[in-house]
Amino acid sequence: AQSVTQLGSHVSVSEGALVLLRCNYSSSVPPYLFWYVQYPNQGLQLLLKYTSAATLVKGINGFEAEFKKSETSFHLTKPSAHMSDAAEYFCAVSGMGTYKYIFGTGTRLKVLA
Amino acid sequence: EPEVTQTPSHQVTQMGQEVILRCVPISNHLYFYWYRQILGQKVEFLVSFYNNEISEKSEIFDDQFSVERPDGSNFTLKIRSTKLEDSAMYFCASSNPLMNTEAFFGQGTRLTVV
Repeated sequence: AQSVTQLGSHVSVSEGALVLLRCNYSSSVPPYLFWYVQYPNQGLQLLLKYTSAATLVKGINGFEAEFKKSETSFHLTKPSAHMSDAAEYFCAVSGMGTYKYIFGTGTRLKVLA
Repeated sequence: EPEVTQTPSHQVTQMGQEVILRCVPISNHLYFYWYRQILGQKVEFLVSFYNNEISEKSEIFDDQFSVERPDGSNFTLKIRSTKLEDSAMYFCASSNPLMNTEAFFGQGTRLTVV
């Protein structure tokens, strides 16, 4: 069975500050891990993915995430927040080759001017 | 760039009516999915479809729901006898494990049951 836990349903950061969104997963098989962003009234946009290659993954818009097997974590970071980063972020896990995603409950990021 | 297309973007229906949500997956994809997101909640898996049959479904996907690939391009989700609690955003996705390591999502159909 697979599951995802996102700590913090709401996170606020100042513009220019570090963004850190937390994701922990549970999986009985080697996982694929994903971060998606959702802007208001829009669909899901893939930010980045881990698929068993490099553990530090770089994505779009300056985001990156590090897969840490020992901590079962896949936290999302961005060195400097921008106002346009305000959105909801979802972490998801799947097994290799299934692409049936289990999503976390999401973290709403607010960027303060 | 190829994309998953969903129609309509927003549908309003009376309680008890049947609705069909339509999706055109990416043309060379093999697996197709429906997900649901109730307002303010997480995205939930409903069903996956491969080789013209359901490969996996969640406990949400009961007899009220059905999926079909009526031709070579469309993938539909039918919801019979809609209830107020069926109001949600429904996302279609498709994937080809031979080519990509992720599923591609459509922009969603917002279903409102009144």
